[in-house]
Amino acid sequence: DAKTTQPNSMESNEEEPVHLPCNHSTISGTDYIHWYRQLPSQGPEYVIHGLTSNVNNRMASLAIAEDRKSSTLILHRATLRDAAVYYCILRRTDKLIFGTGTRLQVFP
Amino acid sequence: DADVTQTPRNRITKTGKRIMLECSQTKGHDRMYWYRQDPGLGLRLIYYSFDVKDINKGEISDGYSVSRQAQAKFSLSLESAIPNQTALYFCATSGGSGRGNEQFFGPGTRLTVL
Repeated sequence: DAKTTQPNSMESNEEEPVHLPCNHSTISGTDYIHWYRQLPSQGPEYVIHGLTSNVNNRMASLAIAEDRKSSTLILHRATLRDAAVYYCILRRTDKLIFGTGTRLQVFP
Repeated sequence: DADVTQTPRNRITKTGKRIMLECSQTKGHDRMYWYRQDPGLGLRLIYYSFDVKDINKGEISDGYSVSRQAQAKFSLSLESAIPNQTALYFCATSGGSGRGNEQFFGPGTRLTVL
């Protein structure tokens, strides 16, 4: 299964935008890019997904590079409740293969 | 009420004991999954099931077995628990369509094997 590479941790101040990068150089044409996040003491929750085009939803935006070898999850205004581990995942079949994710800290 | 429930939420057991973790869902989804999470790591897939008659191994199925008793129920068993199976276990479901086959996760079961 294709792998993703993310920074171990990132920091942000509250109400500032956050850009969480992900590299997936071995992505294949049929792989979807998914983002999940895991809040402390909870199971992961879906954030957003895309294939080729940039995507927006109420939680975040997903910017996908033209060659699809990288993507960026954008939180437009971080809140304290956004502190979590964010996982970038390539979904080729119906299985999600998690990496270690990026731990996002948000400071007041 | 939660859509995906797991029982028990916490369990401490001894090496060699048989343990069953249960998962129930009210979302009407066909697909169910079991993952484990070790400290500081992401989730790893143990088993998954796309319908009642379908069971598939994930990346780390050794030492585990599953049973899909009904569409809404998927249980994970450790036939003879060992200490390195101490972990956080998550059940998940998906409907197979919409929002990129989004998976919905339960709250997790913390299992400690002494």
